[in-house]
Amino acid sequence: DIQMTQFPSTLSASVGDRVTITCRASQSISTWLAWYQQKPGKAPKFLIYRASSLEGGVPSRFSGSGSGTTFTLTISSLQPDDFATYYCQQYDSYPYTFGQGTKLDIK
Amino acid sequence: QLQLQESGPGLVKPSETLSLTCTVSGGSISSYYWGWIRQPPGKGLEWIGSVYYSGSTYSNPSLESRVTISIDTSKKEFSLKLSSVSAADTAVYYCAREVDYGGKQPLDHWGQGMLVTVSS
Repeated sequence: DIQMTQFPSTLSASVGDRVTITCRASQSISTWLAWYQQKPGKAPKFLIYRASSLEGGVPSRFSGSGSGTTFTLTISSLQPDDFATYYCQQYDSYPYTFGQGTKLDIK
Repeated sequence: QLQLQESGPGLVKPSETLSLTCTVSGGSISSYYWGWIRQPPGKGLEWIGSVYYSGSTYSNPSLESRVTISIDTSKKEFSLKLSSVSAADTAVYYCAREVDYGGKQPLDHWGQGMLVTVSS
């Protein structure tokens, strides 16, 4: 199985801040990486695919980058609605695997 | 607007079989992979398995011996059975669609999730 490691596990930030979350794969997955946002009691929401392509309707303050084994999710200017938990997921091969999540909370 | 809805018992006894169904509405079930993912309370996401509309399936090796996933395209439903459950299988179970973006499939639409508790 491909192991996905995310860091930090928790991130405290303020509205307007720029934040970056990192995700590492245990082997190369090219750009077959997705990012999801999850709020308490809700299903994950699909944000980014192919490491850097925004799903329709996702605000442009979200961006993704990376290839191979190291990837980042950046939120350029945090909005109140962005405080949530973020997961990366590799879909290069089954079994799909997720990072352990990064909880973004208000400083 | 595509919608997925999980249904089934919310309480299952240890050693019994967990059975869930996901009903697809507002879109086609054909030509897609459909997946099951779970999330234990307070923990992260675990992919359980996927089924193609043709019926071919893929399961997580960690659960493979206990998992059966099937699909009924005429009813626009797909199902999960997990046998010999224990308290460790207590989780919110999600169904989701895998969308083909460039030859591989991330999970673009998710059901709201259903908490299944394993307890006597």
